[in-house]
Amino acid sequence: AQSVTQPDIHITVSEGASLELRCNYSYGATPYLFWYVQSPGQGLQLLLKYFSGDTLVQGIKGFEAEFKRSQSSFNLRKPSVHWSDAAEYFCAVIPIQGAQKLVFGQGTRLTINP
Amino acid sequence: EPEVTQTPSHQVTQMGQEVILRCVPISNHLYFYWYRQILGQKVEFLVSFYNNEISEKSEIFDDQFSVERPDGSNFTLKIRSTKLEDSAMYFCASRTGGHQPQHFGDGTRLSIL
Repeated sequence: AQSVTQPDIHITVSEGASLELRCNYSYGATPYLFWYVQSPGQGLQLLLKYFSGDTLVQGIKGFEAEFKRSQSSFNLRKPSVHWSDAAEYFCAVIPIQGAQKLVFGQGTRLTINP
Repeated sequence: EPEVTQTPSHQVTQMGQEVILRCVPISNHLYFYWYRQILGQKVEFLVSFYNNEISEKSEIFDDQFSVERPDGSNFTLKIRSTKLEDSAMYFCASRTGGHQPQHFGDGTRLSIL
């Protein structure tokens, strides 16, 4: 079935440690890819997006993501996390070019240990 | 930076009552969306709206739901006769066009009693 999968429901890392959040998709063609972050009580904020071209994309707040076609993945990374990065992270896709709806993964909740 | 604003932040309604959730998209945006997130579940697409008509809707968006852009600034979601299972966080989003991403509001938490 076509879907977006975030295998990790909850991740805990120490402040200053590196972070990688996983996202896999299962669509025939490469979709448009996004990462959003949701802080408690807030809406969904776009971190970064990938449509085409360079497979390593830079986003806001020091995040980056790498598109790997062979693995159908779009993992989010940050070299050194800050306590303020604690939030819920959502991978999302637009499955078909020309379509409009975002299809979201389940989300990964990130906890930062001091 | 321009924002999508949603009101109210929390709406409590009796089952069977009508509810209207309001959104003010970013002013130069042309495409408008509603999503919902039931507690503990994924964010789900409900409907997209462009040029004063629905362009796409999900299976969730049945006859109990409707959307409207009554003036040049507001975008509303109406649920005619609410059910317990309509309890969720409802997000409005908007975008300009082309490859521009959707920008989301902070959501309205709808609680059906």
